[in-house]
Amino acid sequence: GAVVSQHPSWVICKSGTSVKIECRSLDFQATTMFWYRQFPKQSLMLMATSNEGSKATYEQGVEKDKFLINHASLTLSTLTVTSAHPEDSSFYICSAPIAGGSYNEQFFGPGTRLTVL
Amino acid sequence: AQSVTQLDSQVPVFEEAPVELRCNYSSSVSVYLFWYVQYPNQGLQLLLKYLSGSTLVKGINGFEAEFNKSQTSFHLRKPSVHISDTAEYFCAVTFASGTYKYIFGTGTRLKVLA
Repeated sequence: GAVVSQHPSWVICKSGTSVKIECRSLDFQATTMFWYRQFPKQSLMLMATSNEGSKATYEQGVEKDKFLINHASLTLSTLTVTSAHPEDSSFYICSAPIAGGSYNEQFFGPGTRLTVL
Repeated sequence: AQSVTQLDSQVPVFEEAPVELRCNYSSSVSVYLFWYVQYPNQGLQLLLKYLSGSTLVKGINGFEAEFNKSQTSFHLRKPSVHISDTAEYFCAVTFASGTYKYIFGTGTRLKVLA
């Protein structure tokens, strides 16, 4: 099956610093990727849709200047949490459907746990 | 507005007993339905999906689900659970038209007891 990886799997940073999270589709091309955040014992909330070669589409209430998304290639999307604060601590998960295929199924990465001190 | 409801936040069940995890959705358009499992500190793994055709869908690890359009439900079942089934289970919906975004339910924590 299609595999999506994320790096790093966990990161701890100081308040005020920026953190970059990578999402890669390993064996397929993804023109679109999705970024979710998940608070402890809660569901996944869609943050933004990452589009290869164009600007990301953010969900209502998500600060685009704080959560910078770049989708520079067909296999890589990055999420940068700028000036991170403790309230940004969360589990971030990306997903991707196969380019040209059906959007009926998305393949999820293993997640990145961010802890901001 | 479209939504997904998982009524049970936690379901304790003894090993080898059957289990049903409930999922209801609300939508004015055709939907595709999914069940995912999440183990601690891991991403989501697809258990099964309903796109079209037979309303009874079989997935991995002995799970199955039945799509009921009239009741707008997609309940997940397993006839005999194992300790290893202890995890968080999410029902998700995407729509046959539109942006194909997923909407997730709030999740059900299945706790299998020895």
